[in-house]
Amino acid sequence: EIVLTQSPGTLSLSPGERATLSCRASQSVSDGYLAWYQQKPGQTPRNLIHDVSSRASGIPDRFSGTGSGTDFTLTISRLEPEDSAVYYCHLYGDSPGTFGQGTKVEIK
Amino acid sequence: EVQLVESGGGLVQPGESLRLSCAASGFTSSDHFMDWVRQAPGKGLEWVGRTKHKPSNYVTQYAASLRGRFTISRDNSKNSMYLQMSSLKVEDTALYYCAAFLEGVPYWGQGTLVTVSS
Repeated sequence: EIVLTQSPGTLSLSPGERATLSCRASQSVSDGYLAWYQQKPGQTPRNLIHDVSSRASGIPDRFSGTGSGTDFTLTISRLEPEDSAVYYCHLYGDSPGTFGQGTKVEIK
Repeated sequence: EVQLVESGGGLVQPGESLRLSCAASGFTSSDHFMDWVRQAPGKGLEWVGRTKHKPSNYVTQYAASLRGRFTISRDNSKNSMYLQMSSLKVEDTALYYCAAFLEGVPYWGQGTLVTVSS
């Protein structure tokens, strides 16, 4: 089974800064079904990115996803206070599903 | 509009069984992969298992740690998916979500809470 490892564990940045979140797979992801979610306390995970780089409906363009093979990245180009949350990557293709352990983004 | 509604959660004692349901609407569930995902209090997301779509003969896959205690099934006439959980443990306490994947886009329900406690 593929294991997803997210880094860093916590990211503390100021509004307007750029956030770069990493998700590394233990094996190459061949089918491209990699998603990113944002979760705030007490809320259901919100899909930000699917298929590695496609923004979900209603998601601002400051959120972007890139990557291939074993390395994937979620970038938030200009942080806003409401971006404070935990972010998860998720593999959901033909192989058994798996999630990264999450990256907590704190806004100073 | 795609909707997923989970039900069946509640308080059970260790060793008991429970069946969760996921009712789908706005799409034909048999045409798509559907997963169960859980989140224990204060913890991250954990993949529980999946039932693949009709072209894949509804093959099921499970997280290795749960195999044997949890069983996923479908009732296509009700456009629904189920999670049968047996020999429940305190550590199975979590919010259980169902998810569907339509043309690569994930959709999630709001979850149903399972509490295992004596």
